[in-house]
Amino acid sequence: AQSVTQLGSHVSVSEGALVLLRCNYSSSVPPYLFWYVQYPNQGLQLLLKYTTGATLVKGINGFEAEFKKSETSFHLTKPSAHMSDAAEYFCAVSVSLRNTPLVFGKGTRLSVIA
Amino acid sequence: DGGITQSPKYLFRKEGQNVTLSCEQNLNHDAMYWYRQDPGQGLRLIYYSQIVNDFQKGDIAEGYSVSREKKESFPLTVTSAQKNPTAFYLCASSTSSSNIQYFGAGTRLSVL
Repeated sequence: AQSVTQLGSHVSVSEGALVLLRCNYSSSVPPYLFWYVQYPNQGLQLLLKYTTGATLVKGINGFEAEFKKSETSFHLTKPSAHMSDAAEYFCAVSVSLRNTPLVFGKGTRLSVIA
Repeated sequence: DGGITQSPKYLFRKEGQNVTLSCEQNLNHDAMYWYRQDPGQGLRLIYYSQIVNDFQKGDIAEGYSVSREKKESFPLTVTSAQKNPTAFYLCASSTSSSNIQYFGAGTRLSVL
């Protein structure tokens, strides 16, 4: 069975500072990994995904994540935070690219301070 | 525009009442999913369906029921057996080529 752990339920950064949201996964088979963002009272939107190949994945809105198999991690970063980045972020894992449910972490709420 | 439509946006349930949440997609996706979101709990899978007329229980299926009579529609019924239904419910769909899930805007269910 797969699982996802997101370290820190709430992260606060200053505008212009580095954003780092941590995600560690557990999977018995090679994982497929996703980051989603959720704005208040809305659904989730895909930021980026890792399937195979290049371990550094670039997504929308300037976010990127690096798959590190040895550390079972898939941390999300952005060099410079913007006020509009304030939202909740979810890391998810799947063992297949076919239609299978995702297993989500509990989420990290990002606050950006002016 | 293609997408997933959930209705209603807000729903109130009385004691002992069954309520149905609607989810419709026009993305021509084969698979559809229902998740429940509680503060600090992330998303938990209720039911999912990979093809029409077939569905599987997720981690927290007790007190819920679904049907999948059409490819576009996957309604969720919250039955009176679900003793703690207050939550934000999210519907999603995906295509088999990527397993990227696309989400609706959600339905917030409260108990009167």
